[in-house]
Amino acid sequence: EAQVTQNPRYLITVTGKKLTVTCSQNMNHEYMSWYRQDPGLGLRQIYYSMNVEVTDKGDVPEGYKVSRKEKRNFPLILESPSPNQTSLYFCASRPDYRNTQYFGPGTRLTVL
Amino acid sequence: AQSVTQLGSHVSVSEGALVLLRCNYSSSVPPYLFWYVQYPNQGLQLLLKYTSAATLVKGINGFEAEFKKSETSFHLTKPSAHMSDAAEYFCAVTRSYNTDKLIFGTGTRLQVFP
Repeated sequence: EAQVTQNPRYLITVTGKKLTVTCSQNMNHEYMSWYRQDPGLGLRQIYYSMNVEVTDKGDVPEGYKVSRKEKRNFPLILESPSPNQTSLYFCASRPDYRNTQYFGPGTRLTVL
Repeated sequence: AQSVTQLGSHVSVSEGALVLLRCNYSSSVPPYLFWYVQYPNQGLQLLLKYTSAATLVKGINGFEAEFKKSETSFHLTKPSAHMSDAAEYFCAVTRSYNTDKLIFGTGTRLQVFP
């Protein structure tokens, strides 16, 4: 089944404790993105990648890191999480700019 | 630079009534436009997309949207609302060439009353 998977789905952590949210797609898509969703703000793009080893900042990259060492995986790294990063995070992938994005199920992160 | 404005964070309609969700965009280059739907506790699902072919785009679940360049709009409509249409709807814009940068609107929550 074609899908985007994210792990973990739920995470509660404390300020400053490094964490990684994994994202993997099995559709051989070139493009992958991370978004955060906050009430009243919609989805905001954090980072995107159009190819292996190529990443670009979205609208809200501060406090996040990503890497794209292989096509299928695009982990999101929070080196020192803060409470303002409490949010619902979505990973997405698509073949190219003409096509729609396929979204993962989301990761609900709470930073205390 | 690109942006998307969704007018109305909440829209309520009766079952069987017309659904109209508004989206206006700003783009310095020809855009690609998308409507997504998010049901409670789920991810986003594509409803329809405009990629410079026909200006009237038909999507899933009876929804359609019309691209109007003169009005910079891409409003989403459905002739007759169903209870199952209750969800949050997002409009999104991207450049019509090689990029994965996608700008979303703030969303409109649709309520459908019996």
